[in-house]
This record gives sequence, C-alpha cells and structure tokens, in this order.
Amino acid sequence: KNEVEQSPQNLTAQEGEFITINCSYSVGISALHWLQQHPGGGIVSLFMLSSGKKKHGRLIATINIQEKHSSLHITASHPRDSAVYICAVKGAQKLVFGQGTRLTINP
Amino acid sequence: KAGVTQTPRYLIKTRGQQVTLSCSPISGHRSVSWYQQTPGQGLQFLFEYFSETQRNKGNFPGRFSGRQFSNSRSEMNVSTLELGDSALYLCASSPGTSGSQGLQETQYFGPGTRLLVL
Repeated sequence: KNEVEQSPQNLTAQEGEFITINCSYSVGISALHWLQQHPGGGIVSLFMLSSGKKKHGRLIATINIQEKHSSLHITASHPRDSAVYICAVKGAQKLVFGQGTRLTINP
Repeated sequence: KAGVTQTPRYLIKTRGQQVTLSCSPISGHRSVSWYQQTPGQGLQFLFEYFSETQRNKGNFPGRFSGRQFSNSRSEMNVSTLELGDSALYLCASSPGTSGSQGLQETQYFGPGTRLLVL
C-alpha cells in the first residue's frame, strides 16, 4: 500500500461543478502540500497545510490530522482548472507524493 | 522577483555518462529541493539543501548527489547514468527557516530539466 493515496485518479466534470479530490496518508506528518501541474509540466504550489483549512479564491483545502486525510475542493470549476493535482506529505525526512488526480473540466 | 531557473532545460546523455543539473533559487530563498518525475513512478523527492547542508533525503541510490553553494544555487549530479534515469528533474526553492526540519513551506518550482538517457 502506498503511503499516500489519492482519489479519484481521474475526474471529468462540467464547468461550474463543485470538485473534491481526496488524499489519505498512512505516516505521521508535519505538513501536507497540494500542487497543481499543467500539461506543459510546470508545477505550482496551491497550499501547504499542517492543520485546519485554507482558502484561496475558488480553492479550499482541509486536513484532518486524526483521520490522516486531506481534501482539495474547487468551487465553480472552470476549464482552466484542468490539470493534475498532486498531494505530498512531509514525513520524517522526506516528501512523499500521491500519484496525482487528473482533472478535466469540460465547457 | 525572478522565479526559479534551471539549466539546461533539455539534455541527452548515454548510459554510463554523468550529468550535472543546475538550479538558481528565487533571490533570498535559502532552501532548495530536488525532485524526479517519471511516468511510471510519478514525483519523487531526491533531497533538500539549506545553508549548504543536506537537510532531508529521499530513497535514491548514491549515484544521485547534490550540493548547494553559499549563494544558495544548487547542483544535482547523477553518475553512471542508467536508462531509468530518464525523467523530468525539478527543483524548488523556499525561504527556509533554520529552526525547522524543512519542506514545511510553500515550494516554488522551476520549469525542470528533461533528461533523456540513451
């Protein structure tokens, strides 16, 4: 079993829909990162969380340390949100990444 | 401020050769991390440097090494290249906090170096 599991692996939705991407992890962590990677390969950091909830524009990230689970929500999704979303957890000495969720938003 | 820059952007090598990749962090950032991305394994963490010292390390063989200079620029070296080393190599920088264990700040990624080993 991977230390970091994301679900779903692929998600297709219509513009305007509310999107949820989940990340579960099995190790003790000190931080969790959500990253966005566009088809060209560039990676952008969306959030870094150690507890609670953060919001930036239409994006919301939450983390439940006791349940070892984090969610990334996108409200009013738009085709430009189409990308791969990756969660990564900071364990003892390294970052461990999930396999990513490929999100496609159709107009 | 200029973003994170990586050179070269593309590289072709043959098995057995060695390669050095360079990363210049955002001005003022003291932490630099390196990552490997392949279609099969996804993103994997290589190592993190802070103040010229390796602070965190992933599970890669000793053929993968790095260093950081006093101006925070970093290099990554891969010796005795194998076909499986073909990948996109990304670096990221963050401001860096001397009292922390690292990797607990927003990471600013460079565009990557695409390495092909023939």
